[in-house]
Amino acid sequence: GESVGLHLPTLSVQEGDNSIINCAYSNSASDYFIWYKQESGKGPQFIIDIRSNMDKRQGQRVTVLLNKTVKHLSLQIAATQPGDSAVYFCAEANDMRFGAGTRLTVKP
Amino acid sequence: NAGVMQNPRHLVRRRGQEARLRCSPMKGHSHVYWYRQLPEEGLKFMVYLQKENIIDESGMPKERFSAEFPKEGPSILRIQQVVRGDSAAYFCASSPARAANYGYTFGSGTRLTVV
Repeated sequence: GESVGLHLPTLSVQEGDNSIINCAYSNSASDYFIWYKQESGKGPQFIIDIRSNMDKRQGQRVTVLLNKTVKHLSLQIAATQPGDSAVYFCAEANDMRFGAGTRLTVKP
Repeated sequence: NAGVMQNPRHLVRRRGQEARLRCSPMKGHSHVYWYRQLPEEGLKFMVYLQKENIIDESGMPKERFSAEFPKEGPSILRIQQVVRGDSAAYFCASSPARAANYGYTFGSGTRLTVV
């Protein structure tokens, strides 16, 4: 079965608000995680990654948090914009398998 | 530096025909992964290949589907005797070594429609 899963299938936020997308994993030995963004009709694009020796990693407007105790990842998007509307996947790189994804919709 | 190239972008086949999907990995990448995505669903792992070797095909249907990654040329995902249920987007990803250390870069996909 899938080793990486998503808590919520859809998320709707107001433009300008912050978004939080969650992801759970089951393999406590997992050590490298990646978030991807998939816009309609396109392939997944790398957003940000994190290794298990870190709890937090920041990019431009995005932050990934890793809680190894409860085997949970989150992707935070600051000041969400219409262009952020997409499906977001987390992946545990060792496993090559993805969760179902969360569809983020940004309302103007 | 070109990314992962998949072709064709769109492919229409009649039931019973064969579909051949091609994937050229990024330059310097020797590991290729194929995924299938149905509308409004996630990415389902199919197969992981290195040059001339199938490493993990646990996600491949037992019949009609095959994949190869020859020494020269692109990786090919072949679907024989296609059925309507094969209609999906097929994505290829590549990495320079095992993705556990490097992650994946995806292509834009091939959208297969079986009529």
